[in-house]
Amino acid sequence: SAVISQKPSRDICQRGTSLTIQCQVDSQVTMMFWYRQQPGQSLTLIATANQGSEATYESGFVIDKFPISRPNLTFSTLTVSNMSPEDSSIYLCSVEGTGGSDYGYTFGSGTRLTVV
Amino acid sequence: QKEVEQNSGPLSVPEGAIASLNCTYSDRGSQSFFWYRQYSGKSPELIMSIYSNGDKEDGRFTAQLNKASQYVSLLIRDSQPSDSATYLCAPREAGFQKLVFGTGTRLLVSP
Repeated sequence: SAVISQKPSRDICQRGTSLTIQCQVDSQVTMMFWYRQQPGQSLTLIATANQGSEATYESGFVIDKFPISRPNLTFSTLTVSNMSPEDSSIYLCSVEGTGGSDYGYTFGSGTRLTVV
Repeated sequence: QKEVEQNSGPLSVPEGAIASLNCTYSDRGSQSFFWYRQYSGKSPELIMSIYSNGDKEDGRFTAQLNKASQYVSLLIRDSQPSDSATYLCAPREAGFQKLVFGTGTRLLVSP
């Protein structure tokens, strides 16, 4: 399965600022997925990022707040913009398993964000 | 909105017992189903996948799927304290590549 390097692993940020999270995959993948996991909650999909096209956002998430870049088949970034304490969460990137989505998805190690 | 329901638990079982984790889903078109284990402070890791009705066994884990009832379960035999974690059920949404996660069941295995 793919190996994902996600960074930073954690950060404490001031409200009103932005943080960019990076995910690097050791193989080429068509889709990358960005999730949020709020404290004590399950995973909520923010958006799906395809190389060469705009990301597809889920209901409740907008590009101005969570801009995503996908410059190539092994790399993506998620920016959390104009942060507020409500954005304090774990953010995770994910990719399809080898052979496609029927083989499950691998997750990065996550970014624990605290907004103060 | 596609929904995936799991009992949040905690489900407490003694070491060596069978743990049974259940999940129901609303998307009748879902064809692929995944179980993830998440330790506290860690990211989810895939432990089982199932696509066909019936049982699929992998070591101490057995996944069961009943598409007519929109029900999927995970059995863990000979439970170990190291199995204590949150287990997430995740069907792949029909027609899409994305997963929809349940709220997870917290499993506690006592020595």
